[in-house]
Amino acid sequence: GAVVSQHPSWVICKSGTSVKIECRSLDFQATTMFWYRQFPKQSLMLMATSNEGSKATYEQGVEKDKFLINHASLTLSTLTVTSAHPEDSSFYICSAERLDSVEQYFGPGTRLTVT
Amino acid sequence: GENVEQHPSTLSVQEGDSAVIKCTYSDSASNYFPWYKQELGKGPQLIIDIRSNVGEKKDQRIAVTLNKTAKHFSLHITETQPEDSAVYFCAAMNYGGSQGNLIFGKGTKLSVKP
Repeated sequence: GAVVSQHPSWVICKSGTSVKIECRSLDFQATTMFWYRQFPKQSLMLMATSNEGSKATYEQGVEKDKFLINHASLTLSTLTVTSAHPEDSSFYICSAERLDSVEQYFGPGTRLTVT
Repeated sequence: GENVEQHPSTLSVQEGDSAVIKCTYSDSASNYFPWYKQELGKGPQLIIDIRSNVGEKKDQRIAVTLNKTAKHFSLHITETQPEDSAVYFCAAMNYGGSQGNLIFGKGTKLSVKP
């Protein structure tokens, strides 16, 4: 149990376009999902916390108009990178927190490359 | 806010030896301490966690100890195998508090040599 999927696993897009990444909890319900960004050989940096049915809470320095987060159901959250630029290239990872539990389970990540 | 320090940044051991990774945290209100294993190109995998009301927890070859007074916790891997090679992250969180997000250490790259 506690499986989280992400789609796509990798994506290449051109500068100026938008990219949507999906995060799904496959076998449990998650009221809270988290989006992280990870640069090579670095730790995970929390971008935002999303709760089902409400607006996401963004960490300081993360542009909410650039990184749009939607958490429409207890099993799905999406991150849309709008008007992508090469500096947005990174490994994006989501995690989901089980209902009434503290454990966070991570997805496999999405490698975004902006050319 | 919470700050988590993790040491060492790299660790190389021979197969069969033990490996120990240590983390310290700054916020005494933190009460949940998970450990994650991340293989190259993959997402982190929760391998063990401990809560503040417990001093030690073991799961087969993996154990975690917590010293609340000193505000440090450690991951112990015994009888290491090549497949244990990965980056390990510790984290701390004040579950139920106003700052309920995981704060991660910078990671330890473990290499187990056959």
